[in-house]
Amino acid sequence: NAGVMQNPRHLVRRRGQEARLRCSPMKGHSHVYWYRQLPEEGLKFMVYLQKENIIDESGMPKERFSAEFPKEGPSILRIQQVVRGDSAAYFCASSRDDQPQHFGDGTRLSIL
Amino acid sequence: GENVEQHPSTLSVQEGDSAVIKCTYSDSASNYFPWYKQELGKGPQLIIDIRSNVGEKKDQRIAVTLNKTAKHFSLHITETQPEDSAVYFCAASITGGGNKLTFGTGTQLKVEL
Repeated sequence: NAGVMQNPRHLVRRRGQEARLRCSPMKGHSHVYWYRQLPEEGLKFMVYLQKENIIDESGMPKERFSAEFPKEGPSILRIQQVVRGDSAAYFCASSRDDQPQHFGDGTRLSIL
Repeated sequence: GENVEQHPSTLSVQEGDSAVIKCTYSDSASNYFPWYKQELGKGPQLIIDIRSNVGEKKDQRIAVTLNKTAKHFSLHITETQPEDSAVYFCAASITGGGNKLTFGTGTQLKVEL
């Protein structure tokens, strides 16, 4: 029974490049959430998706960030034209309906 | 929006002692309160949760209490062991209302031998 799978675990990008983070939810989970964690801080909500739909993106920066959860395949968090301030750990969680959220081990994004 | 405050930020206890971490929340509509344990380099792991229709929940050495009137909830770990050392996060959400979790800033727990 695989948990939430995120890849890559570590990603290094230069300023101005694009970063793509992938998340495969637990089997049977149709709800996906993305959170960002800065060093020494708690997790901040970014976006909540169900299959093919964005339900709540109130935590997403207005520019450069986008997320999708297609009918087939993993959820993708995309950051265009990355800047140093995007360096963080990005965590994905999944759940069934109103059930508890289970987290993956995250993608550590470093911007050179 | 919801705001969750967590104290203390660091906690050091001797093995076998109890540890208590406290959180307060601001939105009276919040009705679900999970606690997560995060080890270095790993994602948060759910250890216990409580819904607003109960005041206390226990699972072996771990218990959570909720005071809806005062809008605060606490994590209690008894008979602490070195493997309990980690960062603990409380969170709050409104189930059925989008489910997004608002996290506290974390407590670094160190259990010393």
